[in-house]
Amino acid sequence: KAGVTQTPRYLIKTRGQQVTLSCSPISGHRSVSWYQQTPGQGLQFLFEYFSETQRNKGNFPGRFSGRQFSNSRSEMNVSTLELGDSALYLCASSSGGAYNTEAFFGQGTRLTVV
Amino acid sequence: GESVGLHLPTLSVQEGDNSIINCAYSNSASDYFIWYKQESGKGPQFIIDIRSNMDKRQGQRVTVLLNKTVKHLSLQIAATQPGDSAVYFCAMGNSGYALNFGKGTSLLVTP
Repeated sequence: KAGVTQTPRYLIKTRGQQVTLSCSPISGHRSVSWYQQTPGQGLQFLFEYFSETQRNKGNFPGRFSGRQFSNSRSEMNVSTLELGDSALYLCASSSGGAYNTEAFFGQGTRLTVV
Repeated sequence: GESVGLHLPTLSVQEGDNSIINCAYSNSASDYFIWYKQESGKGPQFIIDIRSNMDKRQGQRVTVLLNKTVKHLSLQIAATQPGDSAVYFCAMGNSGYALNFGKGTSLLVTP
């Protein structure tokens, strides 16, 4: 079956702009999580959506937001971009069950803010 | 607050040897611990997990050990192969997906 698809793969934006990233999970998976990966901070949890509801949220400013649609596809939005937002943004898909720990990651969207 | 850290940022091993990657954590409240492998240009790939009520779990060529007394997690890879070269992350979490990742250890397998 198809894996997790993230679009676009690469993105260059200017400071102050906003950006929307998309994630299509594995068919049947209801949980989508988002992570930011940088060389300095590693992988940091942004938020998780399950059945269109945000279930968990990390310690990121309100400029970072997300949503999930009825087909489980998810988007994340970053407003008023800062240079420090340059990172690889990864989404992970899982069935979302309480005892299912296996998450499947997409290849990520590489965001560069200039 | 909770933190997950790795003892060694890089590890170089010879092909065929066993590899051990270590991870220390500070929060005892996690339900489970996971090891991920990330190859260049790819997203992290699930390797193996272990629940907090277990001490050891084995998979294919991999073993994860959990020592809750000293809050230490390790990943053992038997007969390391060139394809094992990657960055390895430990992560911890509770029900629902809010994983806390370590910064990663780069494993380099030399022939």
